Amino acid sequence: AQTVTQSQPEMSVQEAETVTLSCTYDTSESNYYLFWYKQPPSRQMILVIRQEAYKQQNATENRFSVNFQKAAKSFSLKISDSQLGDTAMYFCAFPNAGGTSYGKLTFGQGTILTVHP
Amino acid sequence: GAGVSQSPSNKVTEKGKDVELRCDPISGHTALYWYRQSLGQGLEFLIYFQGNSAPDKSGLPSDRFSAERTGGSVSTLTIQRTQQEDSAVYLCASSLAGGAPYEQYFGPGTRLTVT
Repeated sequence: AQTVTQSQPEMSVQEAETVTLSCTYDTSESNYYLFWYKQPPSRQMILVIRQEAYKQQNATENRFSVNFQKAAKSFSLKISDSQLGDTAMYFCAFPNAGGTSYGKLTFGQGTILTVHP
Repeated sequence: GAGVSQSPSNKVTEKGKDVELRCDPISGHTALYWYRQSLGQGLEFLIYFQGNSAPDKSGLPSDRFSAERTGGSVSTLTIQRTQQEDSAVYLCASSLAGGAPYEQYFGPGTRLTVT
């Protein structure tokens, strides 16, 4: 079974600055996916970005990018030009690749990010 | 199009009562997942449906919890004889198919409070 660890319970950043959220994981699988989800105060979880483990290139979605280091089992999220609307809880998540739990997400503990004006 | 919807958004119940939580997934999504979010336990998986079948019920915490899905669409999570430790936000998610590559779309959740 895989495990996902987020070691930063809370982070804060000034508007327009850059912040990096950390995530480490453990798995015996060689090919897999990793996700970052955002949960604003409205509670609705939204997918921010995904990474496929077999791809060397780090995923990027507008102001969001990841630093994926497969050997170190590290998957950090960088948010550039932070905006007030980025204030939310962020979860790193690992979906099961097979078996009866196909797609089941294992989540990290979450990081609360606050963007200050 | 419409996203995943859940009802009720909030539910307060007395200890020992039964509750039903409903999830309406995105039309055409064959996979449906239930998760529970609580302060002490974080986000944890409860059950996974592929169509109307539940290949994985391993996350259901006790036999007081059950779930069904009908017509490959709506799902109901039932908690019998509720306990205070059942207080949490129950999240439902659906995806086009079961599997790691597929994005899961989440509903807004049902906040359950057991008094």
